[in-house]
Amino acid sequence: GENVEQHPSTLSVQEGDSAVIKCTYSDSASNYFPWYKQELGKRPQLIIDIRSNVGEKKDQRIAVTLNKTAKHFSLHITETQPEDSAVYFCAASFSGGYNKLIFGAGTRLAVHP
Amino acid sequence: GAGVSQTPSNKVTEKGKYVELRCDPISGHTALYWYRQSLGQGPEFLIYFQGTGAADDSGLPNDRFFAVRPEGSVSTLKIQRTERGDSAVYLCASSPWVTDTQYFGPGTRLTVL
Repeated sequence: GENVEQHPSTLSVQEGDSAVIKCTYSDSASNYFPWYKQELGKRPQLIIDIRSNVGEKKDQRIAVTLNKTAKHFSLHITETQPEDSAVYFCAASFSGGYNKLIFGAGTRLAVHP
Repeated sequence: GAGVSQTPSNKVTEKGKYVELRCDPISGHTALYWYRQSLGQGPEFLIYFQGTGAADDSGLPNDRFFAVRPEGSVSTLKIQRTERGDSAVYLCASSPWVTDTQYFGPGTRLTVL
């Protein structure tokens, strides 16, 4: 069935280090892959997204890569800062012509000063 | 401009009661989604509206859950005979069109005692 697996569930890094979060999806027809950041008690906020016709996308310190053959995609955060600490969710859209998103279980990122 | 808003922010009810949760999407957004987020999990798709019609309600857990969007703007999620397992944060999201970024509201935290 529809499934997105996300790893790791928790990630602790020192300020300035890089952080990588990985997701795999089950539906080969998925064509849209957003990443959301959620701070405690707040709404999920889109930080970056990628569509299936692109292999990589970058926005300042954040980048996402997509491997359609392997059905996995990753979030890369460079030069991490304490304000990057939050829960990050990956998601994949499933076939049907609209963006029904299936989310991973989340990664709690802690950036220590 | 104003983002997606949801009311109430918190709702406490007793088992067996009926509740309504409201979502005001961003003005002009035609697509509207409801998700449910349990503690420590990613959002789980419930239902998607395109305009006034429910295009996909495959995520609704059972027939106690129902949602409407009569004028293609505000949406109401209705839960009958609430159960303790319904306790979660109910998130609403909207997008300009079905293939666009989904913007989330702050959610309604529902607690069923």
